[in-house]
Amino acid sequence: KQEVTQIPAALSVPEGENLVLNCSFTDSAIYNLQWFRQDPGKGLTSLLLIQSSQREQTSGRLNASLDKSSGRSTLYIAASQPGDSATYLCAVSASGTYKYIFGTGTRLKVLA
Amino acid sequence: DVKVTQSSRYLVKRTGEKVFLECVQDMDHENMFWYRQDPGLGLRLIYFSYDVKMKEKGDIPEGYSVSREKKERFSLILESASTNQTSMYLCASSWGRWDSETQYFGPGTRLLVL
Repeated sequence: KQEVTQIPAALSVPEGENLVLNCSFTDSAIYNLQWFRQDPGKGLTSLLLIQSSQREQTSGRLNASLDKSSGRSTLYIAASQPGDSATYLCAVSASGTYKYIFGTGTRLKVLA
Repeated sequence: DVKVTQSSRYLVKRTGEKVFLECVQDMDHENMFWYRQDPGLGLRLIYFSYDVKMKEKGDIPEGYSVSREKKERFSLILESASTNQTSMYLCASSWGRWDSETQYFGPGTRLLVL
């Protein structure tokens, strides 16, 4: 059974720092992986989607990498800003299934 | 921009009531999903629909049913609400390639069952 883990559960950093959020999954037979952002009390916003044939995706200050063989993905945030404060979730899906399995997220706080 | 809307942001219901949560998407997406989100448990899939009138159970369907009579609308029904169904409910939609496409989420409905 696929399990997705995100460590740390919470993280505080000063503004301007580059930071890395981690996601690991137990079954490497995934079809794609998504990173989402969730603001308090709100829905999820998709940040990046990486398909299994890809190694990374970039959007602005965000870069997500995928290493299927080791069951890991990282989300790199450059030059963090207070507006980046949110919970970041990763989710994986397996080919042949509609299901995304979500991690429990990393709650990020960027201090001004 | 894709827009997914949910009928209520907050709901308070009594145990035993029948509860309807509505979700509407405006991008002609094939797939729609209902999740619940609980602290420490993350998002768990309740039901999924890949076409009008089609549905499949997710990981935790017990105590819930769904209805999709029109492509843009997906309803979650709590047949007889119980306190353990107090949660944040999130609706999502995606295009036809259900296993590879971005999911777009609504703002969520926070349900309290007393």
